[in-house]
Parts: sequence; structure tokens; C-alpha cells
Amino acid sequence: GQSLEQPSEVTAVEGAIVQINCTYQTSGFYGLSWYQQHDGGAPTFLSYNALDGLEETGRFSSFLSRSDSYGYLLLQELQMKDSASYFCASPNQAGTALIFGKGTTLSVSS
Amino acid sequence: GAGVSQSPSNKVTEKGKDVELRCDPISGHTALYWYRQSLGQGLEFLIYFQGNSAPDKSGLPSDRFSAERTGGSVSTLTIQRTQQEDSAVYLCASSLAKTSGVDEQFFGPGTRLTVL
Repeated sequence: GQSLEQPSEVTAVEGAIVQINCTYQTSGFYGLSWYQQHDGGAPTFLSYNALDGLEETGRFSSFLSRSDSYGYLLLQELQMKDSASYFCASPNQAGTALIFGKGTTLSVSS
Repeated sequence: GAGVSQSPSNKVTEKGKDVELRCDPISGHTALYWYRQSLGQGLEFLIYFQGNSAPDKSGLPSDRFSAERTGGSVSTLTIQRTQQEDSAVYLCASSLAKTSGVDEQFFGPGTRLTVL
């Protein structure tokens, strides 16, 4: 089956840099996505990596290494509003939906 | 523009009752997904609709769960004879579905279902 593993919690202070790792086991790999979900809110799309390398979008970057079945989300210049859960996700074998990791709760303190 | 909407936002029901959850996707999005999120957990795929194709129901946990999508737009998720383990947030998402799994999915606010 398919699975994605990520740490359950990460803590950091404002202004810092944090990296959230994701390792995956999938049959037929279509890329790695990242979603952010604030407490009580809907998940929102952050980034998608189809190929190896780094994708940068403002303070957030995402990296993928297909040979290592590994990716990460890098958050820079952390702000209090970045406190949320972050999920890595990859399409299922049929390509019909996303398989999500269990999420990493990021707590940013002042 | 309008995002994905879901109703009701909260539903409390008694064990054994049937419930219907509604999702209005973004206009023009051909793909629609239902997920379930239990407290502190990731999202669990339930069902996927794409245009007029047969839905992918492989994620439905039991035959008490069913869903339909009328006219390629609004979708209803029905849970019959609800059980306490059905308590969760049910999230609907839609996408343009150029290639379904890799599209950005837009999520609704969810329906929080509590089965007493």
C-alpha cells in the first residue's frame, strides 16, 4: 500500500527556519504536494513537486528527491500565523485522489 | 469567486440514524473528492467523481456509505445507520482535474459529524 510518514510535531520561534520532512512509499509516483491546515479550517494547497529539486514560493520552499523517496517543506522567516498543521500528500495508484500523511503540527512561539 | 461550500457545517445525530452531507464544488471544476478527517489525523480518501466517468469508490469504508453527484455539480454523501466511529470531519474538495491526483485541490470548510 501507499504511505507517507512525517513528524507529528515541530516547534520553532518567530523568525526561524523550520524543515518538515516527508518520506513516502508509493506504487507509481506522481509527485508530492504540501497542504496547510489551520486549526478548524480547510486544507489549502502550498506546493507541488513533480520532479527532483527545489520549488520556491515566497517564504515557503519544497524539495523532492525521488531516488530517496523523500521530500521536505522549508518555511523561512517564521511568523505566528504559520502555526498550523502541514500535510504531505501524493496521488494514489489510480491517480484519482491524494493519499495524505498524518500531518505535522507546527507551533511558532514569540 | 465562490469557493467550495459544504452543508451543514455541524451535524449531531443519534447512532443508527441516516445523514446526508452536501457539497457544492467550484463552478467549472470537473473533479470532486470526499475525504474524512478524524481528530488529529490525516485525510482519508473516500470517493472521487470525474465528469461522467464511473466514480472511484475504493475509499468508502463500508456499504453504509454512498455518494452521488448530480448534473456534474453538487454532490451528496450519505451515511446510513450511523455508528459512533463515523464521527469525524467530512471534507469535500474539487479540482480542474487535468490529471486528477496532481491537481491543486480546493477544499470546503467541512462538515463536523458527531454520532452520539
